[in-house]
Amino acid sequence: EPEVTQTPSHQVTQMGQEVILRCVPISNHLYFYWYRQILGQKVEFLVSFYNNEISEKSEIFDDQFSVERPDGSNFTLKIRSTKLEDSAMYFCASGVNRGGTEAFFGQGTRLTVV
Amino acid sequence: GENVEQHPSTLSVQEGDSAVIKCTYSDSASNYFPWYKQELGKGPQLIIDIRSNVGEKKDQRIAVTLNKTAKHFSLHITETQPEDSAVYFCAAIGAAGNKLTFGGGTRVLVKP
Repeated sequence: EPEVTQTPSHQVTQMGQEVILRCVPISNHLYFYWYRQILGQKVEFLVSFYNNEISEKSEIFDDQFSVERPDGSNFTLKIRSTKLEDSAMYFCASGVNRGGTEAFFGQGTRLTVV
Repeated sequence: GENVEQHPSTLSVQEGDSAVIKCTYSDSASNYFPWYKQELGKGPQLIIDIRSNVGEKKDQRIAVTLNKTAKHFSLHITETQPEDSAVYFCAAIGAAGNKLTFGGGTRVLVKP
């Protein structure tokens, strides 16, 4: 069964450092998303990406965040200068339909900023 | 924007009993309501979904009901088994149609 894969599973980084979280979406999917879940809180939408551009982003997704699909298979989330409050589980998702219907999620990357 | 509330936050049931999780949403234009199951160390897995043009959908032991007037939807798991133990999330897609808004999750424990 096709699946969304994310690497690494766990990343520890120092405050102020840049991190790149990687995702390989399901191959025939066209819509890509990043969500995050701070411990004990709801899963929150960060950004959606389609046709090589951002289609929507949340207030959380400020200038410190960027996304890229560098080679047609990977989908990355970069945080330029990490803050303690960026510590969370980050989920990548992909789907064939607009808006997140029937979206498939990866297993997540746990980011810990120290 | 859309807001989704989910209850209860934890649910403990005896194996074989039924489990019901309820969610309410705020955006009356929302039209898609999925349920995700998250097991330890894994990402959310889509288990069932319902669109606003139907009131109920079943898939083996799980079913989802939708009341558009009251803006709530529920997940029903019958004949629960230990492997049903997980965190369950409801979600909704609002009028803008570009993202999922999640409920807070329900931790279900099925006791053998």
